[in-house]
Amino acid sequence: AQKITQTQPGMFVQEKEAVTLDCTYDTSDPSYGLFWYKQPSSGEMIFLIYQGSYDQQNATEGRYSLNFQKARKSANLVISASQLGDSAMYFCAMREILSGGSYIPTFGRGTSLIVHP
Amino acid sequence: GAGVSQSPSNKVTEKGKDVELRCDPISGHTALYWYRQSLGQGLEFLIYFQGNSAPDKSGLPSDRFSAERTGGSVSTLTIQRTQQEDSAVYLCASSPFYGGQGADTQYFGPGTRLTVL
Repeated sequence: AQKITQTQPGMFVQEKEAVTLDCTYDTSDPSYGLFWYKQPSSGEMIFLIYQGSYDQQNATEGRYSLNFQKARKSANLVISASQLGDSAMYFCAMREILSGGSYIPTFGRGTSLIVHP
Repeated sequence: GAGVSQSPSNKVTEKGKDVELRCDPISGHTALYWYRQSLGQGLEFLIYFQGNSAPDKSGLPSDRFSAERTGGSVSTLTIQRTQQEDSAVYLCASSPFYGGQGADTQYFGPGTRLTVL
């Protein structure tokens, strides 16, 4: 079973509108971290936002916010006021501590976001 | 400060040759990760280092792949007897690992694009 599921292979949004990118995860580790990364066509992976499993409040970083619903194991990324430069692939990722103490990061397959002018 | 650097940025090689890919992590980052990303795909985890040791090598696709890290800094990923299916972008990331919430946020290098003819 996939540990990180991103069900939207592609999303379109009008410039200046908000968009939500879905991410669900599966873990039995009580202490885990969730991340979102952006990968523009240039190929670099850019860290956007982090949410710890014990965080009481949703993480926010500028126009990015993470809608963390722990009971549903959901960590959706919300981008407000979309800009043309937001067009990119977006990856959701999770860090768990596996038995033996090793950290194995898991990435979703990604969602391609296209922002229309 | 300087980010994660990788060299070479591009590598074209002939099938059967060995290649070495280098990663210079952010200074002071304890953890270092290698990933592979095939065209249009997500990230495939290969290996991670905690200091100079690799707690989990299960992501390496075959025994032709090996990696080492020296001095808790530079890492080299070696692919022996390259095959065409090894063609991909190889990404390296580092993280502080220690330091509380979000310390395992990974910061990525620009990647090495490997083409095996």
